[in-house]
Amino acid sequence: DAKTTQPPSMDCAEGRAANLPCNHSTISGNEYVYWYRQIHSQGPQYIIHGLKNNETNEMASLIITEDRKSSTLILPHATLRDTAVYYCIAGLLYNQGGKLIFGQGTELSVKP
Amino acid sequence: DGGITQSPKYLFRKEGQNVTLSCEQNLNHDAMYWYRQDPGQGLRLIYYSQIVNDFQKGDIAEGYSVSREKKESFPLTVTSAQKNPTAFYLCASSIDLDRVANSPLHFGNGTRLTVT
Repeated sequence: DAKTTQPPSMDCAEGRAANLPCNHSTISGNEYVYWYRQIHSQGPQYIIHGLKNNETNEMASLIITEDRKSSTLILPHATLRDTAVYYCIAGLLYNQGGKLIFGQGTELSVKP
Repeated sequence: DGGITQSPKYLFRKEGQNVTLSCEQNLNHDAMYWYRQDPGQGLRLIYYSQIVNDFQKGDIAEGYSVSREKKESFPLTVTSAQKNPTAFYLCASSIDLDRVANSPLHFGNGTRLTVT
């Protein structure tokens, strides 16, 4: 599975867009990019995932570069409740011979 | 609402005792997983099960056991053989991956186990 690299921490002003980067330069052609977030003492919450194309849902947008070596998660209007650790994972699920490796993520602090 | 329920949220045990953590899902998901999270670290896979009555070891299965007698339930037993059992334990599930190859994992809210 591709290893991912994320900044350990980021700050964002409330109401502004939060752009969280992720590098996955060793990603294979069939590996997806997943984003999760975890608020303290809770389970990780699924946000979004994609393979090649940009994706958008009610929570966020995922922008994947054309070479697929990096991606950016965008929270368009960050609120205080978006303060959490954000995990970027590149890989396959288990029955496809892969596993999702959760690293240490990016700790996003949304400030008033 | 569909979801994954882990109970209890906090669990305390004496060293040398086995303890079983509950995980129930009503999402009709085929696959279920157990992870362990230690402070400041990512998640590590303990066991996973893709179908009833079948399960596979993950990266850190030693000292743990599981069963999958029902689709909805995947209990984890932390045995006395686990050397460092104090941790935050997370259960997850996903749709049958043969039908939806990129189905994401959905997590419960965890059980924090403290062994003294």
